This record gives sequence, C-alpha cells and structure tokens, in this order.
Amino acid sequence: AQKITQTQPGMFVQEKEAVTLDCTYDTSDPSYGLFWYKQPSSGEMIFLIYQGSYDQQNATEGRYSLNFQKARKSANLVISASQLGDSAMYFCAMREENAGGTSYGKLTFGQGTILTVHP
Amino acid sequence: NAGVTQTPKFQVLKTGQSMTLQCAQDMNHEYMSWYRQDPGMGLRLIHYSVGAGITDQGEVPNGYNVSRSTTEDFPLRLLSAAPSQTSVYFCASSYSPGRQTQYFGPGTRLLVL
Repeated sequence: AQKITQTQPGMFVQEKEAVTLDCTYDTSDPSYGLFWYKQPSSGEMIFLIYQGSYDQQNATEGRYSLNFQKARKSANLVISASQLGDSAMYFCAMREENAGGTSYGKLTFGQGTILTVHP
Repeated sequence: NAGVTQTPKFQVLKTGQSMTLQCAQDMNHEYMSWYRQDPGMGLRLIHYSVGAGITDQGEVPNGYNVSRSTTEDFPLRLLSAAPSQTSVYFCASSYSPGRQTQYFGPGTRLLVL
C-alpha cells in the first residue's frame, strides 16, 4: 500500500521569500509518480508539478520545483518568490505507474499543508 | 473543451435518500475516478474506472456505486445516504499512455442531515 505523509499542518512565509513544503512517501512499487496540487479557498484542485520515480532530474514548473530524494523517499515542494496568491492548501500525492509512466490514475493523497503568505 | 464537469455543485440530502452525482469529461480520457475530501484530510479514492464497462473499488467504496457505460460519463450513486457521507466529492480523469496528470472537476459539496 502507498502512503503519503505531510508533517506540516501549516506554514507561514513572507511575500517574495521561498518556502519548502515537506512530503515523504512509502511504497513498495518500483515505479511511481509524485504530484503536488494546490487547493485555494475556492476548492478546486490545481495541478502544480509532477515527478516520475525514474526521472533523473528534479521537476520544475515556473516558480515551483520538486526536491526529489528517492533514497530518503521525500518529494518536497519548493515555491520560490512567494506571492499572496500562493496562500492555499497544498497536497502531495502519488500513484503507481508502470515503467512507461502509465497508470490507472489512482492517487493517494497526504493530509495537506496550509500555506499562508504574509505581505 | 469543458474539461471535467460535475453536477450538482451543492446538494442537501436527508438520511436514507439516494442520489447520483454526475461527472463528465470531453477529453476522451480512459481513466476516471471519484474521491471524497473530508475536513483536515486529503482526498480518498472511492471508485475508479479504466474504461467503459470496467470499474473497481478504491479505498472507501462502501455506500457508493458506480458504472461506466460511456467513456465520457462516470456517475457516482449514493444508495442510502448517511451523515458520514457528508463530504466534498471530486471526479478526476486522466489518460494513457504516458505521464499525464489528473484533471479534476470542480467538486460537489454534499450535506447529509
């Protein structure tokens, strides 16, 4: 079974500063994908970034980067130059995949971290 | 493309009533799934489908039924609503092959009294 742990219930950051949101995972699957989603107060789930377990480089998407440490089973999200609009709940999630990155689309989520950006 | 759509956005039910949450996607995605989100928790998988006519249970399937007669639609049925089913329900879809993300619907907020 897969498990995602987000140990930070809440995080605070000053505007324009960088912040790291922690995520550790547990799985026996040899191939998997890791995701981060943002959920603002409006409730929708917004995809931020994806990392495949066999990817050699850490994923980046604009101000978002994923610090993937496979041996430690961690997939921390780094948000650079925080903006007020980054205030939201952030979820780490994972899914089993085959070697080609195909999956059945079943995600396992962590409990989330509420990020508050102060001006 | 409308993406993933869900109806209704909000629903109030009485204990014992039944209802169907609708989910549709216009992206020709093979995989569709239903999640529920309870306060202070992440999303949990209820049921999923890997294609028309094929469904399977997720982590929390009890009290819910699904069917997938077409690629586009994946309704979730509550057979006899209970207060424990008060939650926000998300439908998601994705496609294979390749590393593709999940596309989530806007969610349905359900209150069971």
